[in-house]
Parts: sequence; C-alpha cells; structure tokens
Amino acid sequence: SYELTQPPSVSVSPGQTTSITCSGDPLGDKYACWYQQKPGQSPVLVIYQDTRRPSEIPERFSGSKSGTTATLTISGTQAMDEADYYCQAWDSNTGVFGTGTKVSVL
Amino acid sequence: QVTMKESGPVLVKPTETLTLTCTVSGFSLSNPKLGVSWIRQPPGKALEWLAHIFSNDEKSYSSSLKSRLTISKDTSNSQAVLTMTKLGPVDTATYYCARGYCNNISCPLPHWGQGTLVIVSS
Repeated sequence: SYELTQPPSVSVSPGQTTSITCSGDPLGDKYACWYQQKPGQSPVLVIYQDTRRPSEIPERFSGSKSGTTATLTISGTQAMDEADYYCQAWDSNTGVFGTGTKVSVL
Repeated sequence: QVTMKESGPVLVKPTETLTLTCTVSGFSLSNPKLGVSWIRQPPGKALEWLAHIFSNDEKSYSSSLKSRLTISKDTSNSQAVLTMTKLGPVDTATYYCARGYCNNISCPLPHWGQGTLVIVSS
C-alpha cells in the first residue's frame, strides 16, 4: 500500500491565496483528485485529473502537479472555504486518500 | 438527478458482521463507465477508501482490509452492498458510498451519499 501526505493545517486570511500539498509516489504517473469536506457534510469533489474542475466548483479552486506532489490552490479565499481538504489517488485499482488538511480562514 | 443513499444498522456488536447497502438513482449500475466505491471516516479522523466495484463486476479492495471485505451489486435493484466481517471498536465510523468514474489511472468520486454512522459496541 502507499500513502499520501498532507500538512495537517493551514491558515489564510480572507481574500488571500493558500495552497495545500499532497505528496506520494503514485502521483508520479497517476492523477490526483481533491475533495472539500465541511463539518457534518459529505465530501465534495473540487478537482479531478490533477487540474480539472467540475462545472459547479468556483474558479478560485485550481490544481497542479509536479513530480510526485499535487497542489490545491484557493485564490481569493472566502470564509465559506473553511473546511477539511483531502487528496485522493488511484493505483493498481486501489484507492487512497491523503491525511487531510484543515483550512482555517482567519 | 443522481442520488446515493446508504443504509444499515447503527449499532453492531464486536465480532459481528456488518452489511451496508447503497441504493442509487439517476443512473444504472450497468453503465460501463461507472462504479461504486465505499469509504469510511472514523469520528474526527481522515477518509479511508475501502472498496470499489466496476460495472463489469470487477472488484478491488483496500489491501489492509481485504480479508474482511466483500463488495457486490444488484443491478436490477440499483444497489451496491458492502460486507465487513469481524468488527471491532476501531471500525466505528461514518460509512459512505460514492459513484466513481474509475480507470487504471484515476478514480474521481463526484457523487456521494450522506453517509451512515456505524457504532461498534457491546
């Protein structure tokens, strides 16, 4: 099995940009997805195939990848973006989620 | 409109077997591009992927839980079922099912159920 490592928490001021990293060997040749989860709610897919954004997700969410590290960036962060964020990858027909990052908007 | 809904017991005793059902609507489990994953989340902890079933009935499992899990589907009733044996307190979690567009390099899950809480306690 493999692991995807994320920072436990990040803090950002409203209107600023923040980035969350996700590191793991499978990301070298597999796509990353990102999910947002607010307290008491189910996760919501915000990025898939490293950089693609579902139509209902605001443009301030973007994804990128370099080598074995994927990054989720939130530009112009809003209070409503305060949530837990998880990366996810798929390797050898097995899924794995990252350790999760709590984004606090202060 | 795609919906996913999990159902099953709230309270299970240690060593017992858990059976969870995911009832879907708005799409068919026979659609060749789609499958269903099960994911769980212990209280206050991270998401954990458990298993996936493809439209062709191919199955995949978490390596750490493979010996305890069985995933299946009933296409005619639009249901996917997860069975987990030998439950212990560490299996207390909210269990989610999600629709996935999975292939050999990616498995995005754009639709999730509301989750069902399972408590393992005597």
